[in-house]
Amino acid sequence: GESVGLHLPTLSVQEGDNSIINCAYSNSASDYFIWYKQESGKGPQFIIDIRSNMDKRQGQRVTVLLNKTVKHLSLQIAATQPGDSAVYFCAENVLSGYSTLTFGKGTMLLVSP
Amino acid sequence: DSGVTQTPKHLITATGQRVTLRCSPRSGDLSVYWYQQSLDQGLQFLIQYYNGEERAKGNILERFSAQQFPDLHSELNLSSLELGDSALYFCASNEGDGDIQYFGAGTRLSVL
Repeated sequence: GESVGLHLPTLSVQEGDNSIINCAYSNSASDYFIWYKQESGKGPQFIIDIRSNMDKRQGQRVTVLLNKTVKHLSLQIAATQPGDSAVYFCAENVLSGYSTLTFGKGTMLLVSP
Repeated sequence: DSGVTQTPKHLITATGQRVTLRCSPRSGDLSVYWYQQSLDQGLQFLIQYYNGEERAKGNILERFSAQQFPDLHSELNLSSLELGDSALYFCASNEGDGDIQYFGAGTRLSVL
């Protein structure tokens, strides 16, 4: 399918490497963050989330780190696989208000066998 | 499969025309969100409906409108289409406010 975001920052890694995708968020009031994965021709798929009362959260092969001081999120993918190749978006939200996610521009991850 | 269904998958139309995109949320979800994704703008929030009523509005043009029906499915109406409206349109749903939104596979709109 047609790729999304031809002008996105791109991270190229080898299969088996660990990947780190970074995201700077804009709203200091944001207290909830989500990482989504979007494969070519598909809709965004939830990966992992984190609330602002946490600095770190781990899932299966993925870890999200939150640094509220510098408004920075990162997504770490362990032992990256070719199937991890996709565009990754961070999204932020203020839970006290109505739920309207604000998405970052995205990063394309390319995994070579 | 997220459980969110969007139809049609592809839509090709001409400038000036009007189209309707349809979304069925996950079973039990009351909130439906519409997003536009273009190559140069990323994912842009358009509008949210909750249990039939408009709840939040984003960068939605006046030529665009949406509604949510009693069975909770939603439609996004795009009128007086322009070339620049060509994009992917996504619908997402969740139980209500906060946390994870689950996305459909999208409708690819091509305006020629």
